[in-house]
Amino acid sequence: NAGVTQTPKFQVLKTGQSMTLQCAQDMNHEYMSWYRQDPGMGLRLIHYSVGAGITDQGEVPNGYNVSRSTTEDFPLRLLSAAPSQTSVYFCASRPRTGGANVLTFGAGSRLTVL
Amino acid sequence: SQQGEEDPQALSIQEGENATMNCSYKTSINNLQWYRQNSGRGLVHLILIRSNEREKHSGRLRVTLDTSKKSSSLLITASRAADTASYFCASGGGGSNYKLTFGKGTLLTVNP
Repeated sequence: NAGVTQTPKFQVLKTGQSMTLQCAQDMNHEYMSWYRQDPGMGLRLIHYSVGAGITDQGEVPNGYNVSRSTTEDFPLRLLSAAPSQTSVYFCASRPRTGGANVLTFGAGSRLTVL
Repeated sequence: SQQGEEDPQALSIQEGENATMNCSYKTSINNLQWYRQNSGRGLVHLILIRSNEREKHSGRLRVTLDTSKKSSSLLITASRAADTASYFCASGGGGSNYKLTFGKGTLLTVNP
């Protein structure tokens, strides 16, 4: 059981480039989310999804796009990277029903934008 | 804005001592959770306390919740060097409120 898998682990981009951070989970979790972690800022919610075809914005959605075509995958797209998007990105998931909203996290993707 | 705020930001203790971290939040909650993050890793869930509970134990962890003060504390007893990590509180409405809001974390260093 792999849990939540994020790729790539590290990425360096130039300003203006685009890329996609991949997130996949094999736990059949309906809810998936993306957070970014910056020093002194804790984790901030970017986007989340409560099921295939449904996405919504979190606290800091600007500059990021998401889609949810399958239950397993929730990619995060940066259309035109900016230095302010240098951060560590975490994908997390949980079941939609049953139990509390306890999240299972991926190992993170460290992105540097030059 | 961040709902949970941990205090202190950093804590350094000797092995065998107890470590206490505090968390404050701003709005009504369904439950409050604590997560641990080892350096360079993702967060791992430690313990959850519901809004109708005042105290909860799990191994060497003890969590308290005071909803009147909108605060929680995490106590790690008999700390070990392996407990060195960042600890985050997270609050959420639960149920159909899927968002979980994290604090900025407490960096705990346990010296051997």
